[in-house]
Amino acid sequence: GAVVSQHPSWVICKSGTSVKIECRSLDFQATTMFWYRQFPKQSLMLMATSNEGSKATYEQGVEKDKFLINHASLTLSTLTVTSAHPEDSSFYICSATPPRTGNSPLHFGNGTRLTVT
Amino acid sequence: GNSVTQMEGPVTLSEEAFLTINCTYTATGYPSLFWYVQYPGEGLQLLLKATKADDKGSNKGFEATYRKETTSFHLEKGSVQVSDSAVYFCALTTGGGADGLTFGKGTHLIIQP
Repeated sequence: GAVVSQHPSWVICKSGTSVKIECRSLDFQATTMFWYRQFPKQSLMLMATSNEGSKATYEQGVEKDKFLINHASLTLSTLTVTSAHPEDSSFYICSATPPRTGNSPLHFGNGTRLTVT
Repeated sequence: GNSVTQMEGPVTLSEEAFLTINCTYTATGYPSLFWYVQYPGEGLQLLLKATKADDKGSNKGFEATYRKETTSFHLEKGSVQVSDSAVYFCALTTGGGADGLTFGKGTHLIIQP
């Protein structure tokens, strides 16, 4: 079945540094991928929609200059948290849907736990 | 806008008990409804789905019926096991695969032997 791979699974970084998270669709091409953020004991909140070959669409309240999204190929989207601060510590999850599957469910990566010290 | 409300947890049950996790929604347009499960330390896995009114999604003994009249999609299982302990998320999308999902806050289920 369709698989979405996310890397790294966890990362610890210092305040002020940048962190890149990769999301890959392993056996299908995804023109659209989604990035979510999950706070402890909270729901997943959609951050942005990553579109292959064009700019990402950000949800209201998400800083596009802080959370840079690049969807350079049909199988890879990256999320870069720039100048990270402790409040950016969270669980980030990506998802993607195989094309031409209508309302078929989105497939999720296993998430990346970011800790900013 | 879209929103999903599900019962707060944690929900603690004994093995073989009957499970119901309530989920209600509001949506602009005609949503597809999903239940996802998140085991400790893992990402989300699709548990079941329903795309139109009166559809029943089922998987691994879990069931949920799309009730348009009550805007609900309650998750049920007749006899839970310890291995069902996880966080369960109700979610919807109104754009098919083109839009992201709107999630409920999740319900932490704990099954005791």
